Amino acid sequence: AQRVTQPEKLLSVFKGAPVELKCNYSYSGSPELFWYVQYSRQRLQLLLRHISRESIKGFTADLNKGETSFHLKKPFAQEEDSAMYYCVLTQAGGGNKLTFGTGTQLKVEL
Amino acid sequence: DAGVIQSPRHEVTEMGQEVTLRCKPISGHNSLFWYRQTMMRGLELLIYFNNNVPIDDSGMPEDRFSAKMPNASFSTLKIQPSEPRDSAVYFCASSPGTGSEQYFGPGTRLTVT
Repeated sequence: AQRVTQPEKLLSVFKGAPVELKCNYSYSGSPELFWYVQYSRQRLQLLLRHISRESIKGFTADLNKGETSFHLKKPFAQEEDSAMYYCVLTQAGGGNKLTFGTGTQLKVEL
Repeated sequence: DAGVIQSPRHEVTEMGQEVTLRCKPISGHNSLFWYRQTMMRGLELLIYFNNNVPIDDSGMPEDRFSAKMPNASFSTLKIQPSEPRDSAVYFCASSPGTGSEQYFGPGTRLTVT
């Protein structure tokens, strides 16, 4: 069975502080990991995927297979980063079935 | 492009009534997904279609739930009879191909009293 764990329901940081949203997964096969984000009054949307190895809106995430983690990081939080973040897992190589974590609400305070 | 369209946006119904949720995927996308979001269980995949054919319905909770995709531009999720524990936000998503990014609709908030 595949499972995604996001231990924090709510993470509150000050503007300019570093952010790390934790994500751990369990999966018997070869995984592909994503972060999806939902801003207030907007639709759930893809933020980044591990195979792209790119930084989106200043966020990065590295897949650590040894620790089965895919933490989302940003060195300096901005107010507009406040949103709900979901860590998502699927089968590598084109899996369609996404498994979502329970989500972490990030609140960036001034 | 309006993106994935879902209707209604809100539905309030009484226990025992039939509920039909509708979804129009993005034109050209060949995969369509139905999800349910609750406080207890988070976001769960109910069923998905490739080229209008149901591929995996293992997430459908019970026989009261059914989904159809009669053509590439329309899908329905039906609950008959509805129960209070079906209250949730139901999302539809579509993607252009296997393993591609999924584009989500705004969701339908269902309340069963």
